[in-house]
Amino acid sequence: AQRVTQPEKLLSVFKGAPVELKCNYSYSGSPELFWYVQYSRQRLQLLLRHISRESIKGFTADLNKGETSFHLKKPFAQEEDSAMYYCALSGYNNNDMRFGAGTRLTVKP
Amino acid sequence: KAGVTQTPRYLIKTRGQQVTLSCSPISGHRSVSWYQQTPGQGLQFLFEYFSETQRNKGNFPGRFSGRQFSNSRSEMNVSTLELGDSALYLCASRNAGATYNEQFFGPGTRLTVL
Repeated sequence: AQRVTQPEKLLSVFKGAPVELKCNYSYSGSPELFWYVQYSRQRLQLLLRHISRESIKGFTADLNKGETSFHLKKPFAQEEDSAMYYCALSGYNNNDMRFGAGTRLTVKP
Repeated sequence: KAGVTQTPRYLIKTRGQQVTLSCSPISGHRSVSWYQQTPGQGLQFLFEYFSETQRNKGNFPGRFSGRQFSNSRSEMNVSTLELGDSALYLCASRNAGATYNEQFFGPGTRLTVL
C-alpha cells in the first residue's frame, strides 16, 4: 500500500537558517514523489517533483530509495517560505496520488 | 487556460442532510480527483475519475460518492452528513496524457456541518 509520512506537523526556523522538511514513504514499485505547497489563502500548488531534479525557490529534494525518503531542503529559509508543505506519492502509471499529513513551516524574522 | 473551479466555495449544512459539490477541471484535463483536507488528517484521497469512470477510491464510507460527466466536470456527493465531515474539499485535475503526474488544484469548497 502507498503511504506517505511527514513526521513533523509543525516546524519553526529563523530567517536565514537551513530548513529540512522530512518525508518518508512506502511503496512497492517505482514511485513518483512530489512536494506541494500551500501559502496562506492560496491554492495548493506543485513545488517540485523528483524526476525533474530541479531547484524551485531555493528548495531541493532528493529521492533516497534506500531510506525511502524524499526530504525537502533549503539552505537559507526566507519569511515568504512560511506555508503548509505536503509530500505526495504516485505510482508509475498509477493515478492514485497519496499525500502526507503536511508540515506547517514558520520562518521567523 | 482557466484554472480548476469549484462551486460553491462555502456551504453550511446540518447533520443528516446531503450535499453536492461541483468541480470543473482545466480544459483538456480528463482526470479529476477529490480530496478531503482537515487540520488533523491533512489531505486524504477520496476518489479519482477519468472519462466518466471511477478509477481509484480512497478509504471513505459509501456516503461519499461522485460522478463525472462527458465534459469532464465532476460532482461529489455526501449523504447523511456527520459533524466529522466538516472539512475543505479539494478537487484536482490532471492531464492524463502528460508525462508528469502533476495535479492542479481548485480553491476548495469549505463544508461546515452543524
